[in-house]
Parts: sequence; structure tokens; C-alpha cells
Amino acid sequence: GAVVSQHPSRVICKSGTSVKIECRSLDFQATTMFWYRQFPKKSLMLMATSNEGSKATYEQGVEKDKFLINHASLTLSTLTVTSAHPEDSSFYICSASVMSGSYEQYFGPGTRLTVT
Amino acid sequence: SQQGEEDPQALSIQEGENATMNCSYKTSINNLQWYRQNSGRGLVHLILIRSNEREKHSGRLRVTLDTSKKSSSLLITASRAADTASYFCATERPGGKLIFGQGTELSVKP
Repeated sequence: GAVVSQHPSRVICKSGTSVKIECRSLDFQATTMFWYRQFPKKSLMLMATSNEGSKATYEQGVEKDKFLINHASLTLSTLTVTSAHPEDSSFYICSASVMSGSYEQYFGPGTRLTVT
Repeated sequence: SQQGEEDPQALSIQEGENATMNCSYKTSINNLQWYRQNSGRGLVHLILIRSNEREKHSGRLRVTLDTSKKSSSLLITASRAADTASYFCATERPGGKLIFGQGTELSVKP
């Protein structure tokens, strides 16, 4: 089956630093990748949609300059949290999609970000 | 809010009992999907039901979809302690975006 990995699985960083999270599709080419954010005991909130080779489309209320998304290849998308603050602490999950009629998405295992 | 509603928010049952979770949404959809998430982990896709389908089965899972009421239900029969997890419905919008419901936290006691 389609496998999506995320790296790192956990990261702790100091306020003001930037953190990069990678999302990779391991055995398929993903035309589209999605980034979600999840607070404890809450649902997933879609942050942005990223298509290979083009700019990401951000959901309303998500700061583009804060959450930089780069989809450099059909197997890799990165999310960089710039100048992180404690309120950015969250669980970030990516998914990758292959166009096959319906956009079936395959989810990564998530990255736990803690900003101190 | 673009998100759908799920109820109950939390459900506690004994092993062997059935668990029913409901999901309502607001706009027209391409399909509706159910996912499971163990605490602090990623999502596991359970089942997808298309907008022109009314019911779908997969093992101990049964999903219904009523597009006139904009609602879906997930039934887990003969529950096991290992079914303890959070369950989310998600509606697919044009462009492949998934909009998740608030989730139901299921606890199955042995």
C-alpha cells in the first residue's frame, strides 16, 4: 500500500527558531500534498494544499509567511514553521494524494512540535 | 465553521457491544470518509462512501450516508478493546480537500 513518511516525528525547539518538517511519499508519486494541524483532543484543520512545482494554496486564517510550504518534487513536500512561538506547538500531519478518480489521501504519521 | 459535527464527542462501551458514531456536514460532497486515530498517531483510513452510495460494509464496519440529511453514521459491531481510538469523518470537497469532523473518542472497556 501507499506509504507516507514524516520527519522528524518529534521536535522541540526554542522560540524564535525555524523548524522544517518533511513529508515524503515513499512508493508513489504524489501530485498533491496536504498539510494539517491538530491540537490535543481536537480535529484536524487543513492548513494548505500543495501541488508539485507550484505555490501552495493556504486556507483562510493560515499565515503564508509563518508556514512556508515547498513541494519541490512529486515525492517531497516540506513545511517550515518560521520564527516559532509556543502557540505553534501542535501535531502536524501531512497527506499525499494520487489522482485516481477520487483523491484518495494517504496520511503520514505526524510530527509533534513543541516550542519552548 | 467549515467543519462538520460529530456525535457523540465521547463514547464508552463494553467489549462486545456495538458502537455508533454520527457525522453531519454542511455542503455538497464528492464522498465521505471515516478515519481512525490512535492517541498521538497518524490517521488510518477505514472506509470511503461515495455520494451516490447509501451503505457500505467493511468487516465489522458499516457506514451509511444520507445526502438529503447531510449525515453519515459509522457502526462498529462486536467491539473490541483494540477499537479504542478517536474516529473522524471527513468530507471530500472539490480539489481533493478533506474537511474533518470534530471526532468521536471511543473507549471500549474489556
